Amino acid sequence: AQTVTQSQPEMSVQEAETVTLSCTYDTSESDYYLFWYKQPPSRQMILVIRQEAYKQQNATENRFSVNFQKAAKSFSLKISDSQLGDAAMYFCAYRSTTTSGTYKYIFGTGTRLKVLA
Amino acid sequence: IAGITQAPTSQILAAGRRMTLRCTQDMRHNAMYWYRQDLGLGLRLIHYSNTAGTTGKGEVPDGYSVSRANTDDFPLTLASAVPSQTSVYFCASSPGGGGTQYFGPGTRLTVL
Repeated sequence: AQTVTQSQPEMSVQEAETVTLSCTYDTSESDYYLFWYKQPPSRQMILVIRQEAYKQQNATENRFSVNFQKAAKSFSLKISDSQLGDAAMYFCAYRSTTTSGTYKYIFGTGTRLKVLA
Repeated sequence: IAGITQAPTSQILAAGRRMTLRCTQDMRHNAMYWYRQDLGLGLRLIHYSNTAGTTGKGEVPDGYSVSRANTDDFPLTLASAVPSQTSVYFCASSPGGGGTQYFGPGTRLTVL
C-alpha cells in the first residue's frame, strides 16, 4: 500500500528567507501524481503545486518549487522569499492511477510552517 | 464560480442522532470524495465516488454512508453519531483522468 510521510511536524522560517518542506512516499507504481496543498487558518485546502511522475522537470509556481526525486521517492517543497501569508499547514499528497478507474489520494500528516517577521 | 459548497459550516450534535453533511459541486467533476481531518492524522478518506451512481469505501468508512444520485451532489450521512466522529469533514472533487482535487470549505462537527 502507498504511504506518504512528512517527518517535520513544524518548521519556522524568517520572512524573506527560503525554507524546504520534506515529503517521502512509498509506492510500487510508476505512474502517479504528487501534490502540495496549503491549509491556512481559514481551513480551506489550497493547491500549491502538482507534479506528474512521468515528467522529469520539477514543477514551479512562482515562489514555490519542488525537488522531485523519483528513484528516492522524495518530493520536497521549496518556498523562496517567504511571506507572512505563507504561514499555514502544508500537506503532501499522492494520487495513484489505476486501470480500473479508481483513484486513491493519500495524504501525509502535515507540516505546520511558521513565518517569523 | 462557486466550486464546492458544504453545509453546514459547523454543527454540534448529540450522540445517537442522525446527521447528513451536504456537498455540492458545480464543476461537473466525475469523482467526489469525503475526508475527515483529525489533529496529527492528516486527511483520511471515508468514501469516494468515481461517477454518478457508484460509490466506494475509503480508509475509515465505518459509521458513515454516502450516495451519489447525480453528478453534483455527494451527501455524507452519520446514521447514529458517536463522539469519535468529532472532526472536520472535507468534501472534494476531481475531474476524470486529471488528477487535481479541489476541496470544499469543510464542516466542523462536534458530537457530544
